[in-house]
Amino acid sequence: DTGVSQDPRHKITKRGQNVTFRCDPISEHNRLYWYRQTLGQGPEFLTYFQNEAQLEKSRLLSDRFSAERPKGSFSTLEIQRTEQGDSAMYLCASSRLKRVATNEKLFFGSGTQLSVL
Amino acid sequence: RKEVEQDPGPFNVPEGATVAFNCTYSNSASQSFFWYRQDCRKEPKLLMSVYSSGNEDGRFTAQLNRASQYISLLIRDSKLSDSATYLCVVKPNSGGSNYKLTFGKGTLLTVNP
Repeated sequence: DTGVSQDPRHKITKRGQNVTFRCDPISEHNRLYWYRQTLGQGPEFLTYFQNEAQLEKSRLLSDRFSAERPKGSFSTLEIQRTEQGDSAMYLCASSRLKRVATNEKLFFGSGTQLSVL
Repeated sequence: RKEVEQDPGPFNVPEGATVAFNCTYSNSASQSFFWYRQDCRKEPKLLMSVYSSGNEDGRFTAQLNRASQYISLLIRDSKLSDSATYLCVVKPNSGGSNYKLTFGKGTLLTVNP
């Protein structure tokens, strides 16, 4: 499978615990994104990497959230001291930067469903 | 005003019906437009890009009105397999955030036998 893969698919944790999610993008894609989706809403942008550089973080990303992409390949998203409001689907996407932006297509992974009890 | 607003739905239609979804966007700097499809508990997948002149892909037709900042998706001869949530998406092509997709809440379509 050469698509975007995310691990784990599901995570159940207790409030206050730390969790970490992993995303492996499509291999030649230099752009990587994290989005969050709650029930009945569209995905909301969290953060963006171009290669290993994190170029934008949404205001949605509190200090408890940190994302890395150390070698410009896979990425991790860590949530510290989880709260019930963090329960959501965390989606990773990747794309390849193109000269003509309209030709750029995002490919999403299957997401990690987080439930904070 | 939300950046992208869609028909709230849900839409329940019989097989073979024609159904249309509407979407408006607030950021006039938006330059790229898309419709994504999302099945229940799955990731969003690109259905089609939306071009200024309008475009068609089989039973699906997308239209864009830049003056009104309005996008539409028409599905003709709907199939059971069209049942999904349809997400309207916009993106700027230039400027510092030319990578960021902004999604609407989505409109749920159920096609009934």
